[in-house]
Amino acid sequence: NAGVTQTPKFQVLKTGQSMTLQCAQDMNHEYMSWYRQDPGMGLRLIHYSVGAGITDQGEVPNGYNVSRSTTEDFPLRLLSAAPSQTSVYFCASSTPGLATHEQYFGPGTRLTVT
Amino acid sequence: GNSVTQMEGPVTLSEEAFLTINCTYTATGYPSLFWYVQYPGEGLQLLLKATKADDKGSNKGFEATYRKETTSFHLEKGSVQVSDSAVYFCALLISNFGNEKLTFGTGTRLTIIP
Repeated sequence: NAGVTQTPKFQVLKTGQSMTLQCAQDMNHEYMSWYRQDPGMGLRLIHYSVGAGITDQGEVPNGYNVSRSTTEDFPLRLLSAAPSQTSVYFCASSTPGLATHEQYFGPGTRLTVT
Repeated sequence: GNSVTQMEGPVTLSEEAFLTINCTYTATGYPSLFWYVQYPGEGLQLLLKATKADDKGSNKGFEATYRKETTSFHLEKGSVQVSDSAVYFCALLISNFGNEKLTFGTGTRLTIIP
């Protein structure tokens, strides 16, 4: 199993550009989520999905869109990049349930917006 | 709301020293508690977890006990190694009818010097 994969690893955008961060998992996990990691702020939840066709907002959703057309994929779209979106982005997946709940994280995408 | 407070870093220790990283939480309901570790250039990995009061999670020589009376989940290791250098995140999870979201602390960077 590849686990959780993310592409690209690094990206530089100009203000106003749009792009999609890709995330895929091969563990048949129902739950997928996107976080951003900023210095001194830990990880903050952007959007999450409890299954194909179902998405919801997290703590910091503004400026981002998601969709979940398959169990495997959960892309994150930046509609019009801003310098405040410079961050490291992590995708995670898991099978819900307190007894088993371990979130598996991808390696991250480091995004710089100039 | 739910929140996690962990000790500020960075923490620098000599090899074989005793480690404690403090973590306290605020939550409505009965959370599960986790410690995740992030090695340089990688995503987060689950280090250990505890799902109810007085449970002790342990892994790779690290331990943490879920203390409901003090709302704490401090991470300890008796003798650290250089390979333990990483960022450590405390997190809590509240499950609400299948809607599960992790809340992370800000992370503590640990550096072990030989």
